[in-house]
Amino acid sequence: TQLLEQSPQFLSIQEGENLTVYCNSSSVFSSLQWYRQEPGEGPVLLVTVVTGGEVKKLKRLTFQFGDARKDSSLHITAAQPGDTGLYLCAVGNEKLTFGTGTRLTIIP
Amino acid sequence: GAVVSQHPSRVICKSGTSVKIECRSLDFQATTMFWYRQFPKKSLMLMATSNEGSKATYEQGVEKDKFLINHASLTLSTLTVTSAHPEDSSFYICSARSGFKGYEQYFGPGTRLTVT
Repeated sequence: TQLLEQSPQFLSIQEGENLTVYCNSSSVFSSLQWYRQEPGEGPVLLVTVVTGGEVKKLKRLTFQFGDARKDSSLHITAAQPGDTGLYLCAVGNEKLTFGTGTRLTIIP
Repeated sequence: GAVVSQHPSRVICKSGTSVKIECRSLDFQATTMFWYRQFPKKSLMLMATSNEGSKATYEQGVEKDKFLINHASLTLSTLTVTSAHPEDSSFYICSARSGFKGYEQYFGPGTRLTVT
């Protein structure tokens, strides 16, 4: 059983559409991070959320931490081809545990 | 700031040989470095944690005699895959953390290892 389950596993949508990906767990976390990884590259940190119910925005990306700090969502508005990549949630301070990942493809 | 490099970016080796991968923090001192492995279309799995000047701590199921990790300086860690087999083929990613910058890890660009 994975500590962090992400859904959907794969998502392919047209440019301009909106989408939401989820990161779920039965455990409570003090903080959660979202990363984007492009093929052949290492992951890049997008955001860290630390407070239950917290919402953070990064241009067209909106991140939310669940009230109980067990889950998180990432919403992308008006997706663009440049948003294509593997989106990973992760938890941990000393050591990171990554979620199962959502592979997003935006079709021009 | 906070740039991490890896070398080589791609390597092909024959079964039975050993290959060394370097991870460098270019503009900060990394008190801790981490090594991850990523299979195609999968997430990252932590292999080991290394603190400068100390022995690496390996995750459960990772063979320490097969994946030798050295963190001899504050800017360099190496991962040596010994007696490589085709099943060791994978994408290896390192990350580095400075004790002065909090807990954020900065990731390298990864090394694609193919064992033939």
